[in-house]
Amino acid sequence: DAMVIQNPRYQVTQFGKPVTLSCSQTLNHNVMYWYQQKSSQAPKLLFHYYDKDFNNEADTPDNFQSRRPNTSFCFLDIRSPGLGDAAMYLCATSSVGGDYGYTFGSGTRLTVV
Amino acid sequence: TQLLEQSPQFLSIQEGENLTVYCNSSSVFSSLQWYRQEPGEGPVLLVTVVTGGEVKKLKRLTFQFGDARKDSSLHITAAQPGDTGLYLCAQRSGSARQLTFGSGTQLTVLP
Repeated sequence: DAMVIQNPRYQVTQFGKPVTLSCSQTLNHNVMYWYQQKSSQAPKLLFHYYDKDFNNEADTPDNFQSRRPNTSFCFLDIRSPGLGDAAMYLCATSSVGGDYGYTFGSGTRLTVV
Repeated sequence: TQLLEQSPQFLSIQEGENLTVYCNSSSVFSSLQWYRQEPGEGPVLLVTVVTGGEVKKLKRLTFQFGDARKDSSLHITAAQPGDTGLYLCAQRSGSARQLTFGSGTQLTVLP
């Protein structure tokens, strides 16, 4: 089945140690998004790629970066994770032009120790 | 980007009871989506409403879009423990149609 896959499901990293989360899709959607969701809160958009164009939200910390080497893959890099970066990170895809909803991955739960 | 306010924030009910969740904005929505998110999973789209006054049903779930397209509600009839989850309203905006979520309603249905 076409889907959005996030790896790993759970990631533990040390304070200040760079970490990369990955997302892949088989939907051939042109837009990929990264959201951060903290406990009991709604997902918050960090940035998105519209094809190869990177779009950062104004309040996304510089500590967060993203790469999209091709249509299928998108990565979230956290350069120096702090305790406050512990959260669920959700990847989503969409095909702009249709009005159907996003397809979300199952998320990566990041713990910073 | 519009601010979407949901109420209540938390709701705990017994199996078989009915409930309504609300999503409000001070501005007009072009369309609105409702998602359900279970623990440890990503949100799953339930419905998209587009037309003012529109009512959509999905089994025991009834979604309504306000006439002025500034508010929406989700009504669940005879709630079941499987309905437990975080319910999110959301609006798509921007050139990439990015989602902005409401504050969410955490629903717990007790057996």
